[in-house]
Amino acid sequence: AQTVTQSQPEMSVQEAETVTLSCTYDTSESDYYLFWYKQPPSRQMILVIRQEAYKQQNATENRFSVNFQKAAKSFSLKISDSQLGDAAMYFCASSGPSGTYKYIFGTGTRLKVLA
Amino acid sequence: DGGITQSPKYLFRKEGQNVTLSCEQNLNHDAMYWYRQDPGQGLRLIYYSQIVNDFQKGDIAEGYSVSREKKESFPLTVTSAQKNPTAFYLCASRGPGGGYGYTFGSGTRLTVV
Repeated sequence: AQTVTQSQPEMSVQEAETVTLSCTYDTSESDYYLFWYKQPPSRQMILVIRQEAYKQQNATENRFSVNFQKAAKSFSLKISDSQLGDAAMYFCASSGPSGTYKYIFGTGTRLKVLA
Repeated sequence: DGGITQSPKYLFRKEGQNVTLSCEQNLNHDAMYWYRQDPGQGLRLIYYSQIVNDFQKGDIAEGYSVSREKKESFPLTVTSAQKNPTAFYLCASRGPGGGYGYTFGSGTRLTVV
């Protein structure tokens, strides 16, 4: 069975500092996608960043970047210059079986940003 | 603007009642999904549909039912058979291809009273 594991239930970061959220996954698919979603207190899920597994280059979106280690099945999210608005739950997800693309989500990491 | 609308935002159910959660999208997406979110458990898949008039069970389908009569709509019914229905329910749709990413609705909080 495909799994996504987030081992850090909660993380804290000082405003303007950098934080890395960890995610490991297991899949038998040869081609797949990985995602990080943000869920602020409003509970609206927002796509932060995506990574195509066949691309070696790590994805970057402004202050958000990933460290994708395919062999280790690791997909961490780095947030640079943390802002108060970054405080949220962050979910890592994989795209699941090709065709159905039933995304599999981790249990989430709650990020607190300290002023 | 295109998006997904879930209603109601809050819903209260008495024991033994069925309730239906609405999910409508105007993104022209074929695939739609229902997830349940509980504290500490992430998102778990209830049902999904890849095309009109077709849907499949997810990991926790017992006590739930769905229909997909229109491309835009994917309502979820929580039946009285669902033992622990109190949760936050999220509807999502996906564009073509696995890398498109889900677009989520704003969710429905269901509470049994």
